[in-house]
Amino acid sequence: DIQMTQSPASLSASLGETVTIECRASEDIYNGLAWYQQKPGKSPQLLIYNANSLHTGVPSRFSGSGSGTQYSLKINSLQSEDVASYFCQQYYDYPYTFGAGTKLELK
Amino acid sequence: EVQLQESGPGLVKPSQSLSLTCSVTGYSITSNYWGWIRKFPGNKMEWMGYISYSGSTSYNPSLKSRISITRDTSKNQFFLQLNSVTTEDTATYYCARVKLGAYFDYWGQGVMVTVSS
Repeated sequence: DIQMTQSPASLSASLGETVTIECRASEDIYNGLAWYQQKPGKSPQLLIYNANSLHTGVPSRFSGSGSGTQYSLKINSLQSEDVASYFCQQYYDYPYTFGAGTKLELK
Repeated sequence: EVQLQESGPGLVKPSQSLSLTCSVTGYSITSNYWGWIRKFPGNKMEWMGYISYSGSTSYNPSLKSRISITRDTSKNQFFLQLNSVTTEDTATYYCARVKLGAYFDYWGQGVMVTVSS
């Protein structure tokens, strides 16, 4: 199985700040990566697919980048509604696997 | 708008079978792929498997022969059955549309299932 190592596990940032979350795959996943946001008590919401494509309706302050084994999610100008957990998922190979998640809080 | 809703018992006894239903509105399950994902206490996520528009299935090998995903196209529902459950199957179970068989673009709200005697 492809292992997804996500960092950091938790993150505290101020409103307006830029935040970056990273996922490292145990092998090349050729941009087969998605990012999700999950707020407490809610279901996950797709943010990014194909490593850098913004899902419909997702604010443009979210962006994804990377290639090979290294990928990142960036949130520009952090808003209060961005407080949530974020996790990555690879779909290059079966079984699909997820990162352990990053909990984002406001400082 | 695509909407998914899980339903099923919240408590299952060890060694029994866990059965969940996902009801889909706003989109036909005879298109695209439809899957199950679970989130364990401690937040680890696991892809369990999916059923395709044609009825073919793909499962996580970690679940071996315990899992079955089926569907009823007349009701626009698909189902999860997980046999011989243990306490380690305690989790929140989500159904989702699997866009192009790859990533999950619409999710249900999730159902918490506890395995306990």
